[in-house]
Amino acid sequence: EPEVTQTPSHQVTQMGQEVILRCVPISNHLYFYWYRQILGQKVEFLVSFYNNEISEKSEIFDDQFSVERPDGSNFTLKIRSTKLEDSAMYFCATWTSGRIDEQFFGPGTRLTVL
Amino acid sequence: QQQVKQSPQSLIVQKGGISIINCAYENTAFDYFPWYQQFPGKGPALLIAIRPDVSEKKEGRFTISFNKSAKQFSLHIMDSQPGDSATYFCAASNRYSGAGSYQLTFGKGTKLSVIP
Repeated sequence: EPEVTQTPSHQVTQMGQEVILRCVPISNHLYFYWYRQILGQKVEFLVSFYNNEISEKSEIFDDQFSVERPDGSNFTLKIRSTKLEDSAMYFCATWTSGRIDEQFFGPGTRLTVL
Repeated sequence: QQQVKQSPQSLIVQKGGISIINCAYENTAFDYFPWYQQFPGKGPALLIAIRPDVSEKKEGRFTISFNKSAKQFSLHIMDSQPGDSATYFCAASNRYSGAGSYQLTFGKGTKLSVIP
């Protein structure tokens, strides 16, 4: 069964520090997404990435956030200067057009900003 | 316009009972309505999904009912089991409209507890 993997599983950082969250999408998938889930709340869309560029982003995805696919396999989310309110679970998801109609979610990275 | 409203926030059901979770949406461009199941510490996993051209879809003990005119859809879990205890999220997307990037808009989730 195909799966999305994410590293690290848990990241603790000090406020103001930069963090990079990594995702390995399912091979041959074309659309990549980052979502976040603040503890006990709903899953919120951050950004979508297609054809090596951002296709859509939410109002949450401000200038502190960036995404890239540096080596054709990993998909990363960078937060330049973390804030306390960035503490959340961050999920990577991937999807491709075709017969299988599902966005596959990774297990998430729990980010704790102190 | 982009919201998906989900209720109830939590639900306790006896083993063998029927669990019903409801969602409502506003954006008429939505054309794909999945339900995701999430266990603690895990990512959401697709449970079942429906398109608005059908009013019901059943997969095993799970059924989605869809009312396009009311812009509502619901998840029914028949013969609920303790192993079904999880958080359930409804979601919506413009998956088939050909526009945008098909991101999912989630409801706030329902924590289901099935007691023996």
